[in-house]
Order: sequence, then structure tokens, then C-alpha cells
Amino acid sequence: EIVMTQSPASLSVSPGERATLSCRASQSVSSNLAWYQQKPGQAPRLLIYGASTRATGFPARFSGSGSGTEFTLTISSLQSEDFAVYYCQQYNNWPPYTFGQGTRLEIK
Amino acid sequence: EVQLLESGGGLVQPGESLRLSCAASGFTFRNYAMSWVRQAPGKGLEWVSAISGSGGSTYYADSVKGRFTISRDTSKNTLYVQMNSLRAEDTAVYYCAKGVVAAAIPTYFDYWGQGTLVTVSS
Repeated sequence: EIVMTQSPASLSVSPGERATLSCRASQSVSSNLAWYQQKPGQAPRLLIYGASTRATGFPARFSGSGSGTEFTLTISSLQSEDFAVYYCQQYNNWPPYTFGQGTRLEIK
Repeated sequence: EVQLLESGGGLVQPGESLRLSCAASGFTFRNYAMSWVRQAPGKGLEWVSAISGSGGSTYYADSVKGRFTISRDTSKNTLYVQMNSLRAEDTAVYYCAKGVVAAAIPTYFDYWGQGTLVTVSS
């Protein structure tokens, strides 16, 4: 089973600043990495797939990068609606699909 | 518009059974693999089970293998999971999630339902 590790567990950032979230896989997952955004009381929402392709409905301030075992989600200028929990998921080796434990992005 | 609507959650005692349903609309249901993903209170996401578009292939997390059974009825556009021998650690919100391919090959999930809460407690 591939273990996904996200860091940091929580991140406090001021609106307008940049946020950088990391996700590491215990072995290579190529570019088969997705990111999801989850707001309180809501279901997760697909944000990034293929490590760097933005899903429909998300603005260009969200970007994903990386391959192999190291991945990054960058939000270039945080807006109030971006504060949420972000999860990474690998879909290279399965079953099982595995998720990171999440990074909580909070308003500073 | 893709919609996934789960139902069937509730409070059950340890050892009891429950069946969850997920009604799908807005896409050709038989053309896509589907999964169940759960989230324990205050915790992260855990994939539970997947089924191919045809229903011919099914997959389970080790934590539920032998206790849960995933199925689908393409005539009703509905996904199911039968959960037997429930344990306290199965307490979670259960989401159905749509894959992006028909076969249950590795996929991400492009749409999620709103979830249904299962509580296992005496």
C-alpha cells in the first residue's frame, strides 16, 4: 500500500498571500495524483488531477506540480473562499486508493 | 448536471447490517466505475470499495473485505454497498464517488455525493 504524507498538517496564511502545500508518496505514483478541496460540512471536490491539470470551476490561482514521489499544490493569492482542507490522492497503484491525511488551510 | 445522492445511513448496533444507496443522474451510469469513500468524524478520507461500470469487477479495502459488498443496478442508476458485521470503527460519513473511466482501473473521482452518516454504537 502506498502511503501518502501531507505537510504541514495545518497552515495559517493571510488573504492575498501564497500558500504551498506538499504531498509525498512512499513510492513513485508517476503523475497519477489528485488534489481535493473540502469545506466544512461539504463533500470533497476535485481540484487537480494528473498532478497538474486543474478541474472545471477552479481559477488559475490554483496550480499543481510534481511527479514521482513529491507533489505541490500552490494557491498564488489566497481568497476567503480558499480556506478549507486539502487532500491528495494517488491512483497509480491500487487497490487501495490512498489519500493523504489532509492539510487544513486557515486564515491568519 | 451530475448528481449523486446517498441514502440509507443511520444508527446501528455493533454486529448489525445496513445497506447504503447512491442514486446517480446526469451521466450514463453504466459507463463509469464508482466507489465508496468514507470519512470518520474529524478524520481524513478512506477509500472503501470500487466497482467497474459493468459491475463485473469489484474491489475492497482490507478493512472491509468480507464484510461489505458493493453492487450496482444500471436499470435504476443506483450504486449500493451492503455493510454487514458493522463495527464501531465503521462509523463515518460514506460518500459515493464517480470515477472517470468505465473499468475500475486507477482513477480519480470527479464527482462526489453529499454523504450519508453511519453510526455504529451500542
